[in-house]
Amino acid sequence: GAVVSQHPSRVICKSGTSVKIECRSLDFQATTMFWYRQFPKQSLMLMATSNEGSKATYEQGVEKDKFLINHASLTLSTLTVTSAHPEDSSFYICSASTPGGSSTEAFFGQGTRLTVV
Amino acid sequence: GENVEQHPSTLSVQEGDSAVIKCTYSDSASNYFPWYKQELGKRPQLIIDIRSNVGEKKDQRIAVTLNKTAKHFSLHITETQPEDSAVYFCAVPRSSASKIIFGSGTRLSIRP
Repeated sequence: GAVVSQHPSRVICKSGTSVKIECRSLDFQATTMFWYRQFPKQSLMLMATSNEGSKATYEQGVEKDKFLINHASLTLSTLTVTSAHPEDSSFYICSASTPGGSSTEAFFGQGTRLTVV
Repeated sequence: GENVEQHPSTLSVQEGDSAVIKCTYSDSASNYFPWYKQELGKRPQLIIDIRSNVGEKKDQRIAVTLNKTAKHFSLHITETQPEDSAVYFCAVPRSSASKIIFGSGTRLSIRP
């Protein structure tokens, strides 16, 4: 299957600072990627849709100014958590699917565990 | 928007027995139904999926059944093994096939 790589896998930051998470499609081009957040023992909640060359689409309740998404190329989307607070500590995962055809499988990055202290 | 409900939230079965997890969805236009397995701290892994033109799909010990009329689909794991212990999520696409909405998850424990 297609490979999606996410970096970093773990990050610890101080409260008030910003953290950038990268999501790359390694062997295919992804015009659309998705960002999810998962709190402990909970499901994956869709945060936003990252669109190459245009603005991201955010789910209801997700602050676009706090979670900045940039999708400047067909293989890279970034999520920046700005002015991070302890309540932003979570597991963040991106996904993408291969374009065209009838395939609808979503491929996930390995996730980033963010801890804000 | 799409609403996905998953039951049960936790499930404990004896090794060798079968496990069944069920999901219901609201959008009758949905036509792709994947199941994911997630181990602690890792990414979700697709274990089986089914499209709306079939009612059942099987892959070794894992099967998925779909009832489009009732809008529910189920994961069946037979001859369970310790390595089946994980959290399982159903999912349904919303608006685009790769934009998926996850169920709440089922924590499956296999008792030795």
